[in-house]
Amino acid sequence: DAGVIQSPRHEVTEMGQEVTLRCKPISGHDYLFWYRQTMMRGLELLIYFNNNVPIDDSGMPEDRFSAKMPNASFSTLKIQPSEPRDSAVYFCASSLGQGWTDTQYFGPGTRLTVL
Amino acid sequence: AQSVTQPDIHITVSEGASLELRCNYSYGATPYLFWYVQSPGQGLQLLLKYFSGDTLVQGIKGFEAEFKRSQSSFNLRKPSVHWSDAAEYFCAVGAGANAGKSTFGDGTTLTVKP
Repeated sequence: DAGVIQSPRHEVTEMGQEVTLRCKPISGHDYLFWYRQTMMRGLELLIYFNNNVPIDDSGMPEDRFSAKMPNASFSTLKIQPSEPRDSAVYFCASSLGQGWTDTQYFGPGTRLTVL
Repeated sequence: AQSVTQPDIHITVSEGASLELRCNYSYGATPYLFWYVQSPGQGLQLLLKYFSGDTLVQGIKGFEAEFKRSQSSFNLRKPSVHWSDAAEYFCAVGAGANAGKSTFGDGTTLTVKP
């Protein structure tokens, strides 16, 4: 199994630009999670999906952030427009069945730098 | 709502010494508890998890953790630390009606001295 795949691994962009992060979960997993990790705030859950449907987006910082899951094998996290304070490592994770009892498998992350 | 506290931000131990990383949780019912490890530049990897049953849980890489309900704790231990264990460790609790929403602690960074 290839595990959770994220792209790009690194992204450097300028303030005001649109950024799209991509995630391919492990095949057969019903839950998909987007996290953000910074030194100041640690690991934060942004949003999670169950069977492609967003369940809880209360962690999304503001309207500039949006996430979609058009099918079971693909999700995107978009920031438009990006700001320097969005610089962080963004992780995608997936889990099988009941996410709160099952292990979350994390991708390698996307390191985003907004200049 | 559940919460997790990892009291130690940074711990340094000598290679071969024993290790204990502390984790305290807050939740009204039986929690679902996890320990993850994050090596530099990598994603999180599950070390072990507790749902029910035996309160001493064995995980990968020689780690174990003990659930103590009376102390609301789930401390991670290893009898002999290896240099490759240097990483950041996260405790997490998952519970409640909002299935899937685990709460993570702030992490403990482990440094291993030669």
